[in-house]
Amino acid sequence: QSALTQPASVSGSPGQSITISCTGTSSDVGSYNLVSWYQQHPGKAPKLMIYEVSKRPSGVSNRFSGSKSGNTASLTISGLQAEDEADYYCCSYAGSSIFVFGGGTKLTVL
Amino acid sequence: QLQLQESGPGLVKPSETLSLTCTVSGGSISSSSYYWGWIRQPPGKGLQWIGSFYYSGSTYYNPSLKSRVTISVDTSKNQFSLNLSSVTAADTAVYYCARLVGYCSSGTCYPNAFDIWGQGTMVTVSS
Repeated sequence: QSALTQPASVSGSPGQSITISCTGTSSDVGSYNLVSWYQQHPGKAPKLMIYEVSKRPSGVSNRFSGSKSGNTASLTISGLQAEDEADYYCCSYAGSSIFVFGGGTKLTVL
Repeated sequence: QLQLQESGPGLVKPSETLSLTCTVSGGSISSSSYYWGWIRQPPGKGLQWIGSFYYSGSTYYNPSLKSRVTISVDTSKNQFSLNLSSVTAADTAVYYCARLVGYCSSGTCYPNAFDIWGQGTMVTVSS
């Protein structure tokens, strides 16, 4: 399995919206609605933000939303806040109980 | 409140075996609702799934690490362990254990997303 492809970095100003893409293949992202997204602040463990493409765990702000089209999943953060500055990783189920992560995207809030 | 805690040596010599344990508190690793897994993150790099297991005893490994990885379970201690053999400097990373929620559809269940993580433990491979 190759890592899912994410942009290395994205940026936005407070209040704006940004979208992070996550491109896989027909064997992972394209085959299963089991894409999840994680937020990681420096020195901290990752935190689940989105699962099953678009579902939010309890306690996660509704400013975070997810979607998928074909082999590409996306994470959108609306109303950017300073605290959203972090690394974001996508992850997809790839069959046979195997998982593949994206390379990560550094979000900078300007 | 479920918590996971990794433990093990912070320094391992090249060619030796890296061994880590994840202790679960506040819940049982024998629950049929969850899988459990290991993920690692080399310094300054991204996350890599290492492997997972289900309470039934089934284990699943990253194909790129499969020949060197073993995940074992001690239900009496509510712990699971990672062994990674023949380590090199490339295995230097923060190692996380995590719980996986399941997703079931039409009678088939799949591991889904890593919803609870340990704090991680740094392992350095060096002589």
